[in-house]
Amino acid sequence: NAGVTQTPKFQVLKTGQSMTLQCAQDMNHNSMYWYRQDPGMGLRLIYYSASEGTTDKGEVPNGYNVSRLNKREFSLRLESAAPSQTSVYFCASRGDFPGLDEQFFGPGTRLTVL
Amino acid sequence: GEDVEQSLFLSVREGDSSVINCTYTDSSSTYLYWYKQEPGAGLQLLTYIFSNMDMKQDQRLTVLLNKKDKHLSLRIADTQTGDSAIYFCAETVGSASKIIFGSGTRLSIRP
Repeated sequence: NAGVTQTPKFQVLKTGQSMTLQCAQDMNHNSMYWYRQDPGMGLRLIYYSASEGTTDKGEVPNGYNVSRLNKREFSLRLESAAPSQTSVYFCASRGDFPGLDEQFFGPGTRLTVL
Repeated sequence: GEDVEQSLFLSVREGDSSVINCTYTDSSSTYLYWYKQEPGAGLQLLTYIFSNMDMKQDQRLTVLLNKKDKHLSLRIADTQTGDSAIYFCAETVGSASKIIFGSGTRLSIRP
């Protein structure tokens, strides 16, 4: 049981390049999330998916697209990377059980855009 | 709009109590959470409180919730060097699938 996994762990891009961040969970959770973390700004929600086949915008969706490929996987795509997208990206998932709905986080992807 | 606010830094002496405060805006929040992030790591759930409670105690941790003022606090008794981390307050917003985090409070421990 690996929990939430993310790839890659580190990435350096040039301005204008594209890339996809991958996330997978093996806990059979319905909800999945992408956050970015910047110093002094905490975690900001980029997109989330309440169930397979649905996605919704969070606080800072501009410049990103997401795909909920199946129940396990939720990917984040940067079509044309910008230096402002330099950040640490966290994927998370959450079950839908009665009671506590704890979010489980992946280890993060550190992205630098030059 | 939806917002969760925390002070950015807190410094306490080892062995003292730490109190980290948070204010939130969504009065319909079902759960309020405290997450801990150690350097270079993701977030881990530390504790939580259901919105119909006003206090929860879990070993050295005490969570207090004032729904009228939309104020949440986390008290860590007998603070140790291993408690050095960033602590995030979070609330569920609207549909329970959406969770909003505060900016995090960096707790540092003085000898």
